[in-house]
Amino acid sequence: GENVEQHPSTLSVQEGDSAVIKCTYSDSASNYFPWYKQELGKGPQLIIDIRSNVGEKKDQRIAVTLNKTAKHFSLHITETQPEDSAVYFCAASLGSSNTGKLIFGQGTTLQVKP
Amino acid sequence: DGGITQSPKYLFRKEGQNVTLSCEQNLNHDAMYWYRQDPGQGLRLIYYSQIVNDFQKGDIAEGYSVSREKKESFPLTVTSAQKNPTAFYLCASRASDGFKNIQYFGAGTRLSVL
Repeated sequence: GENVEQHPSTLSVQEGDSAVIKCTYSDSASNYFPWYKQELGKGPQLIIDIRSNVGEKKDQRIAVTLNKTAKHFSLHITETQPEDSAVYFCAASLGSSNTGKLIFGQGTTLQVKP
Repeated sequence: DGGITQSPKYLFRKEGQNVTLSCEQNLNHDAMYWYRQDPGQGLRLIYYSQIVNDFQKGDIAEGYSVSREKKESFPLTVTSAQKNPTAFYLCASRASDGFKNIQYFGAGTRLSVL
């Protein structure tokens, strides 16, 4: 079946440094790629997303890049802060159907050390 | 206050018992989803519903059942046939607005076996 691979599984950075999380997807028909942040004991919250017709999108300290040819997309967080510590999930839409189904990566636990 | 409400927050199941997890949304979304989250793993789709009175199996539907009698509600029953039910269960909903597949999540229910 289709899948999304996410790396690394854990990431530790110093406050103020940048963090990069990478994902690779298998379904060439995927056209929507969201990123979610999950704090301990809570549900995931959407932080940024990108469509397949866009190569890069930025929102303040967060940016996402997409390489459709290589089927890679990445999350970049600059000037990290302790409150950025959480689990981050990437996802890819399953094909171009209208079911809205998403395939999720395994998650990356980000720790930002003060 | 619009959103998705999951209850209870914690639930304990005795062996051989069926338990039902509640998910209610007031976002007027057509589609709703149930996911299972295990430690260190991504979200796996159990069931989804795109419209009232219709639902489809996801990747790990065995041992679970759902109903969708009202647009606002999508309860999940964990049956005694599910031999390893201990997990964090997440409900999500999505507006059917075409290209984007933004899913909004509830705060989750943590199910444990006594």
